[in-house]
Amino acid sequence: ELKVEQNPLFLSMQEGKNYTIYCNYSTTSDRLYWYRQDPGKSLESLFVLLSNGAVKQEGRLMASLDTKARLSTLHITAAVHDLSATYFCAVTGRNNNDMRFGAGTRLTVKP
Amino acid sequence: GAGVSQTPSNKVTEKGKYVELRCDPISGHTALYWYRQSLGQGPEFLIYFQGTGAADDSGLPNDRFFAVRPEGSVSTLKIQRTERGDSAVYLCASSRAGDNYNEQFFGPGTRLTVL
Repeated sequence: ELKVEQNPLFLSMQEGKNYTIYCNYSTTSDRLYWYRQDPGKSLESLFVLLSNGAVKQEGRLMASLDTKARLSTLHITAAVHDLSATYFCAVTGRNNNDMRFGAGTRLTVKP
Repeated sequence: GAGVSQTPSNKVTEKGKYVELRCDPISGHTALYWYRQSLGQGPEFLIYFQGTGAADDSGLPNDRFFAVRPEGSVSTLKIQRTERGDSAVYLCASSRAGDNYNEQFFGPGTRLTVL
């Protein structure tokens, strides 16, 4: 059974600081996704990573994928309050269509 | 362009009642997905449609849950004899067929509360 684990589940950080969120998954998967969810809102796609060594950056967020280690990271650089949200990673199952999500990392950036 | 839309945004029902939740995907997206998200959890896969057919319904928790997509566009998730444990946000997503990224775009969700 495909399992996705994120850590930490809760993260409180100061503005201007850097931090990394980790996502481990249990079986081989072709695609790794990162989503953002604001309270009471739906999911917003951030990154789609397809291959080993893939790295994508958007603003203060950078995502990477190591398929051999079954690990993805979401690195936050110089955090700002607007980044406060819950971040989910997800991988596709054996059919490449059903997406399995981690439990999410609730990020709070304090001034 | 218009994103994925879901109606109603909120639904309150009593235990044992029947409910229908509607999803209108992005125009041209042939793939449609239903997920359920409980408070503090990540979304949980329920069912996936490719066109009109359910290609994978392995996530449906039991036979009280059923979904249709008769014309390959709008989908309806149907829950019979609702139970309090069915209370959650039901999310719908759609994606383009043949897209190597299979990026799924999510709707705003329907918050179902079973009293």
